[in-house]
Amino acid sequence: EIVLTQSPGTLSLSPGDRATLSCRASQTLSGNYLGWYHQNPGQAPRLLIYGASSRATGIPDRFTGSGSGTDFTLTISRLEPEDFGVYYCQHYGYFGQGTRLEIK
Amino acid sequence: QLQLQESGPGLVKPSETLSLTCTVSGGSINSNSHYWVWVRQPPGRGLEWIGSINYSGNTYYTSSLESRLTMSVDTSKIQFSLTLTSVTAADTALYYCARLWVGRGNYFDYWGQGALVTVSS
Repeated sequence: EIVLTQSPGTLSLSPGDRATLSCRASQTLSGNYLGWYHQNPGQAPRLLIYGASSRATGIPDRFTGSGSGTDFTLTISRLEPEDFGVYYCQHYGYFGQGTRLEIK
Repeated sequence: QLQLQESGPGLVKPSETLSLTCTVSGGSINSNSHYWVWVRQPPGRGLEWIGSINYSGNTYYTSSLESRLTMSVDTSKIQFSLTLTSVTAADTALYYCARLWVGRGNYFDYWGQGALVTVSS
């Protein structure tokens, strides 16, 4: 079983700030097959990043995924109001516990 | 644009069976590049993958639910379904159906809006 641990649990930032979210895997992820999702309250998750660093269709370039092996990062260069919410990393059927990005 | 819509009872009694159906529109369910999945989210908590099925009926279930879970697909109706037996309060959750893209890894690229199922007497 793979455990994905996300940090921090909560991140408080302002619109226009840069956000850095971390996802650490309990073992090396095959193919660096890691996805990132964003979920707003009352909405379904939305795929942002696949393959650790490829943006999904329609995802703006302020979202950047990076990393390999066991350590992965999602960076949001300039936060927009719609970017707040919860972010999850995922590898096959495993999800991280989520990072809540809240408005400071 | 592909759309998925969950349907089924919102309230199920303990020890009874939870059944949900996902109707797919705007695309085909017959794809070798995709599986069709259920993901659930207990209130205030994170995401849990439950199981996956493809158009041929090949299934994968999470080990913790495998003994109680059955998924099926009806390609003529472009639907897939979930049956979970002997439910308890721990099965109370928002149940999402989604499409799983089997590419460079597996990624959930389209989601339904979710169906809240409460297990209570």
